[in-house]
Amino acid sequence: QVQLQESGPGLVEPSQTLSLICSVSGGSISDTTFGYYWTWIRQHPGKGLEWIGYIYHSGSAYYNPSLKGRVTISVDTSSNQFSLELTSVTVADTAVYYCANSLAARLGFDPWGQGTLVTVSS
Amino acid sequence: DIQMTQSPSSLSASVGDRVTITCRATQSISDYVNWYQQTPGKAPILVISTASTLQSGAPSRFSGSGSGTDFALTISSLQPEDFATYYCQQSYNIPFTFGQGTKLEI
Repeated sequence: QVQLQESGPGLVEPSQTLSLICSVSGGSISDTTFGYYWTWIRQHPGKGLEWIGYIYHSGSAYYNPSLKGRVTISVDTSSNQFSLELTSVTVADTAVYYCANSLAARLGFDPWGQGTLVTVSS
Repeated sequence: DIQMTQSPSSLSASVGDRVTITCRATQSISDYVNWYQQTPGKAPILVISTASTLQSGAPSRFSGSGSGTDFALTISSLQPEDFATYYCQQSYNIPFTFGQGTKLEI
């Protein structure tokens, strides 16, 4: 069973770039038997869930248009990790950020990482 | 974007009760609906995929139904560990979207 773990700064200043890494264990990120869609999802404090985007195993990435081109998801197969970059952050980007996997887009996200809280504040 | 609307937003129930949570999409999405359970401070867990497929490890008291625009998650006999927040999610179109959540309380 593949396991995911987010890591990165818990505090980011406004206008800066939020950068998070999701480390994959229990299997190779290149092995499609574990899933094709390496995904980021966030949850604003006390609120619902927002899909940020995913990167397909082939390297193609798809993002939520609501983030207006500020987001990049990439894969580092040598480190068995994938990452999230969100530029020009504001306080509205304060949230718990989760990484997740999906064997196929229609099948839902499973498993998830434990999540990491990122606060945007000066 | 496809909007997912859950009902009710919160629900009080007792151990042993049968409860149903509904989710309505703003357009037909076939069976492209997934259900998640989230307890405080934890990541969501996938319970039901493609409207009615129970995930490995999920108790058989959970079931899902529906197609098109209307979907339901039913818990046949509530157990103490089922009190949580439940979310539906459509996987028909990007951006994937979630319902606002249903908080199931004792």
